[in-house]
Amino acid sequence: KAGVTQTPRYLIKTRGQQVTLSCSPISGHRSVSWYQQTPGQGLQFLFEYFSETQRNKGNFPGRFSGRQFSNSRSEMNVSTLELGDSALYLCASSLGQGRGNTEAFFGQGTRLTVV
Amino acid sequence: QQPVQSPQAVILREGEDAVINCSSSKALYSVHWYRQKHGEAPVFLMILLKGGEQKGHEKISASFNEKKQQSSLYLTASQLSYSGTYFCGTGYSVTGNQFYFGTGTSLTVIP
Repeated sequence: KAGVTQTPRYLIKTRGQQVTLSCSPISGHRSVSWYQQTPGQGLQFLFEYFSETQRNKGNFPGRFSGRQFSNSRSEMNVSTLELGDSALYLCASSLGQGRGNTEAFFGQGTRLTVV
Repeated sequence: QQPVQSPQAVILREGEDAVINCSSSKALYSVHWYRQKHGEAPVFLMILLKGGEQKGHEKISASFNEKKQQSSLYLTASQLSYSGTYFCGTGYSVTGNQFYFGTGTSLTVIP
């Protein structure tokens, strides 16, 4: 069974540009969550999608957006990139509807560097 | 509502034991534990639910004190493969609409 796939693995962008990251969950999983990981901050929750609907959103500015398609694949978009957006962006998929009692499977992440 | 993990870092020799703690300021519904090795994705270890239910790997031991709003992960007879960063995640409802990861505990096991 294939795991969670994130593309691209690495990305270098310039301040002010926008970027789109992709996540393909495990087959059959309809819940996808996105996290930003930076040294010392742990995993900061961005948003969660279930069956194409955004169920929860973290405390990030509106420059961060996402969506989920009918095949459960998800994309995350960051517009007007800032240096502080440099981070590892992780996607996690799960079988259940709620993150509270469900095991999450993480992808390898996309390492975004903003210069 | 980010949980507080302690210690922030620990170095062990093979065979030694360690305890990683995770504390919340709010009443918990669930606590999740993940381990992330350098350059890899976080991997699920265990979920502990309010009421006593646990789901996870048999070789992992953890406790959940609902009254104290904290959980502890027990790593006994540590092996080199235990090295990594351990994250606890705290859930405040079954839907997970409030779910936060801690900042992690770096564990290094040396020969």
